[in-house]
Parts: sequence; C-alpha cells; structure tokens
Amino acid sequence: QLQLHQSGPGLVKPSETLSLTCTVSGGSISNNNYLWGWIRQAPGKGLEWIGGISSSGNTYYSPSLKSRATISADTSKNVFSLRLESVTAADTGLYFCARRVRGWYSNGGFYYYYMDVWGKGTTVSVSS
Amino acid sequence: QSVLTQPPSASGTPGQRVTMSCSGGNSKVGSNSVNWYQQVPGMAPKLLIYRNTQRPSGVPDRFSGSRSGTSASLAITGLQSEDEADYYCAAWDDSLNGWVFGGGTKVTVL
Repeated sequence: QLQLHQSGPGLVKPSETLSLTCTVSGGSISNNNYLWGWIRQAPGKGLEWIGGISSSGNTYYSPSLKSRATISADTSKNVFSLRLESVTAADTGLYFCARRVRGWYSNGGFYYYYMDVWGKGTTVSVSS
Repeated sequence: QSVLTQPPSASGTPGQRVTMSCSGGNSKVGSNSVNWYQQVPGMAPKLLIYRNTQRPSGVPDRFSGSRSGTSASLAITGLQSEDEADYYCAAWDDSLNGWVFGGGTKVTVL
C-alpha cells in the first residue's frame, strides 16, 4: 500500500527558504503513470496547487509560485521535495504532498486524473 | 478567488440528502473530469469521487457524483454525523498542467 511521509521544519523565518520532503513507500516514484505533487492550504482557506514532478523529471508549477518554487526528485531514495524561496507570512499554512494518477477512459475517449494518496500534511509557519 | 465555484455551505439533518455544486466559469469543469475530496480540518483530503461519478474502493455508496455540461455535483444520501467536513471539487487543467480547485463547501450536520 502506497504511503507518503512528509518531513521538514514547521517554522521558517521570513525571506528564508521553506524545504519539505515527501518519502514514498510501497511504490516507486519512477512509475510512468504518476505525477508527484505539492498542494497547500492557508489557514481557513481552500486548497492551492503548488506544482509537481513527473517520473521523467518534468516539473510543473502554479504560475503564481513558479518564480519561487522548485520541485525535485531523488529516485535512488524514492523521495521528492519542495523548496519555496523568499517566504513571507502569506506562505504560512498546511502543506501536502500527493500522488496524481492518470487513467484512460476508453468509453469516453479521454484521460482522467485524480489524486488518490496524500501525505498527512506539514504545518508551516513563517515567523521571525 | 477559486477557479471552480462551490457554495460555501450546506447543511442537513441526519438521514437527509445534501447536494453541492461545482461550476467552472471558463469550462475547466467542461474539459476535464471532476474529482471530489472530503477534508476534516487539519487533516489530509480524502478522495471521494473521481472521473465525475466513480467511487474509490472503501467510499460509502451514500456519496455520489454527477456531471452535466460544465457543472458537477456531489450528493450525500442518508447524511451522517461523520460527514460533517469540507468538500472540495477539483479538475486537472491541461493548459496549466496543474490542479484547479473549488473554494470548498462546508457541510454541517444539524
């Protein structure tokens, strides 16, 4: 059974870099059908896509965070990571890693996508 | 402001049927299938419905999804106290290569 285990500091100073790691167990991040992503949630707010990395190493980012976010993967350790530079209080929130599945629906002739496995979340506070 | 639009709240008494909608102003919902997630505050979201209508293994059949044009809906039939949570719709955006989410609907069991 696939599990995602998140790690990283819960407190980051303003202007510094937030770094989180998601360790995948029970499956390989090299599997072609998956995208490994990061999603965050500000206190009392909804979900926000940060970005993701494919098995081939292609990365995708939210336009609003693209200039500050870097997502990488280490296939030898079966982990993927998020770095978010120059953080401010607006980056405070609950951060999740998740696996995106891509499937092909032959009856409808289209691809479909969903996130089926999530990490438990890491609460990150940006404060001096 | 969220790309997908959801009503902020819904409520019902135990046993009732509750529905919530998800609409995409620029056809994000229309161009890709919609998923629904249940989230208890402070916890990770849980996948309830994928590909508009499909329930993953283990999700009770009182949860059902539907789709009509550029709108999607989630229904909870036979509402239970443990269904009190936030519910989010989501769709993959091919042009963004990322997820777009609704703002969430908070379901209260009266």
